[in-house]
Amino acid sequence: QVTLRESGPALVKPTQTLTLTCTFSGFSLSTSSMCVSWIRQPPGKALEWLARIDWDDDTYFSTFLETRLTISKDTSKNQVVLTMTNMDPVDTATYYCARMVTPPRGNFDYWGQGILVTVSS
Amino acid sequence: QSVLTQPPSVSGAPGQRVTISCTGSSSNIGAGFDVHWYQQLPGTAPKLLIYGNTNRPSGIPDRFSGSKSGTSASLAITGLQAEDEGDYYCQSYDSSLSGVVFGGGTKLTVL
Repeated sequence: QVTLRESGPALVKPTQTLTLTCTFSGFSLSTSSMCVSWIRQPPGKALEWLARIDWDDDTYFSTFLETRLTISKDTSKNQVVLTMTNMDPVDTATYYCARMVTPPRGNFDYWGQGILVTVSS
Repeated sequence: QSVLTQPPSVSGAPGQRVTISCTGSSSNIGAGFDVHWYQQLPGTAPKLLIYGNTNRPSGIPDRFSGSKSGTSASLAITGLQAEDEGDYYCQSYDSSLSGVVFGGGTKLTVL
């Protein structure tokens, strides 16, 4: 049974750095063709893909946000960590982690429940 | 402005059929990249509905079907039920952006 769960702060201040952790089970990120992505959704708005880390440690970022994002994995802990610098109120959103098989053109077959992050002073 | 264009809303009466379009370009759908569809019910995470243009994951009823042609794709829902009410998103890959792209989402209302 595949599960993913996001954790991190619910509230961050403008200019701070956000760190989110995705803890997953039911699969291994050391398995070929496996990857985990982060996706966000501002309240009432559409989904936006942010970043991806592959089984071989390759990383990929949204061209619109790549200067602010880093993504890493700890295979032994089954965790993927996303950091986003210089947070702004427009970054207020629900942040999801999701599994993709056969990147980069594959689908997200399992999603976490999401974590709402509010950016406010 | 989303890379993939969807109608903001569609509606239909119970039992009817609705379709949701997803229009892309030559760098995504038109380049041959697969289209996937997600259903997001109120207050929940997106759920995979259709993958690889036409395939349903296990547990998804055959009332849901997908198709793709040229630079567009469509999701069809037949036998509308009240429980289908929610938001629907298409997703593909864009070679110009080198990343995943989503549609702007379509809100389905069951009248």
